[in-house]
Amino acid sequence: DSGVTQTPKHLITATGQRVTLRCSPRSGDLSVYWYQQSLDQGLQFLIQYYNGEERAKGNILERFSAQQFPDLHSELNLSSLELGDSALYFCASTPTGSGANVLTFGAGSRLTVL
Amino acid sequence: GDSVTQMEGPVTLSEEAFLTINCTYTATGYPSLFWYVQYPGEGLQLLLKATKADDKGSNKGFEATYRKETTSFHLEKGSVQVSDSAVYFCALRGSQGNLIFGKGTKLSVKP
Repeated sequence: DSGVTQTPKHLITATGQRVTLRCSPRSGDLSVYWYQQSLDQGLQFLIQYYNGEERAKGNILERFSAQQFPDLHSELNLSSLELGDSALYFCASTPTGSGANVLTFGAGSRLTVL
Repeated sequence: GDSVTQMEGPVTLSEEAFLTINCTYTATGYPSLFWYVQYPGEGLQLLLKATKADDKGSNKGFEATYRKETTSFHLEKGSVQVSDSAVYFCALRGSQGNLIFGKGTKLSVKP
């Protein structure tokens, strides 16, 4: 157990729908990162939050959004889903200070869009 | 922009064989470099890291040396085991602080 908790583990939905993926970082970690893993694109960085504020943005679609709440958990919202959004979505967290270099990943949420 | 290129898989080896997975990077400056491993059905786990040129990261018999002259960070292990079967990802820490990953190399070790 890495200490990063992601729910749900699996999610099956239809095109056009909206889903929310949830991530609880390791205790004390202030930064949360979201990644998408697909067979064709590999691991793509989506977005980073630090203590509730957006810190960095990667290849995140406009249909996707995220936020980090005061208790530091984060949610990734995916809307108007398309078949191509089927992927594994990983959350990772880092502490501050010298450990900020190392991302600790959750087990992922597998999204299937039918 | 920053990028990581690692050898395509899959790689199939017999137990106790020598492993090399090549990784090269393109980046401004000298970013920290990482190898992560993903076992079936699990998230990524840090295997080893190196934060500056000529540093050698090592863990569980795996090693990689940060070579700035060749912009490489090849992963090696002298004697692989069946339990090493997994997907291995090379990564660098980008200018935004996020990790930029290679496409991954699947390793299968046969008994």
